[in-house]
Amino acid sequence: GQQLNQSPQSMFIQEGEDVSMNCTSSSIFNTWLWYKQDPGEGPVLLIALYKAGELTSNGRLTAQFGITRKDSFLNISASIPSDVGIYFCAGHMSSNYKLTFGKGTLLTVNP
Amino acid sequence: DVKVTQSSRYLVKRTGEKVFLECVQDMDHENMFWYRQDPGLGLRLIYFSYDVKMKEKGDIPEGYSVSREKKERFSLILESASTNQTSMYLCASAPRGYEQYFGPGTRLTVT
Repeated sequence: GQQLNQSPQSMFIQEGEDVSMNCTSSSIFNTWLWYKQDPGEGPVLLIALYKAGELTSNGRLTAQFGITRKDSFLNISASIPSDVGIYFCAGHMSSNYKLTFGKGTLLTVNP
Repeated sequence: DVKVTQSSRYLVKRTGEKVFLECVQDMDHENMFWYRQDPGLGLRLIYFSYDVKMKEKGDIPEGYSVSREKKERFSLILESASTNQTSMYLCASAPRGYEQYFGPGTRLTVT
């Protein structure tokens, strides 16, 4: 089946720094989604991208749908302690109902 | 806001017991999903349902069954719980296959 390669697996940063993470795939997706999961909670949808090249922001978060439709990027600007958590990318192909998830990026922010 | 609720946050069961996990969504979504989440393995789809009484197997359906008698409710059943089913179980609902909205999760321990 399809696989998403998400990197980095983990990041340790100082409060105020910017963060970048990405997902790549060998398959083309029609939709890219980014989720955040706090410890012990379910993932929360942050951003959804529907068109190749699309750049979408949600507060300090910005995500892009890669031109090749095989990758996506998430940037967090001016990180704060509550940004701590696991960030997942997910891709959707219109041929079925399923999402393909990356393994996640664990973000730690040092105050 | 979309609200997905799960019947329990924490559950402890004995090997061989029949276990019911319930999920309810209040947004009239057609599609509902059950995942399990394990460290290092990410989110894995167990079953999904695209309509009342309709279901399809996900990537790891063995040892599980599901029931969807009403649109808002999707139940996951472990017919005879085993220790290797100790995991975090996440329910999600979606108006379409993408933009899935997750519940808070049930952490199940089978002893």
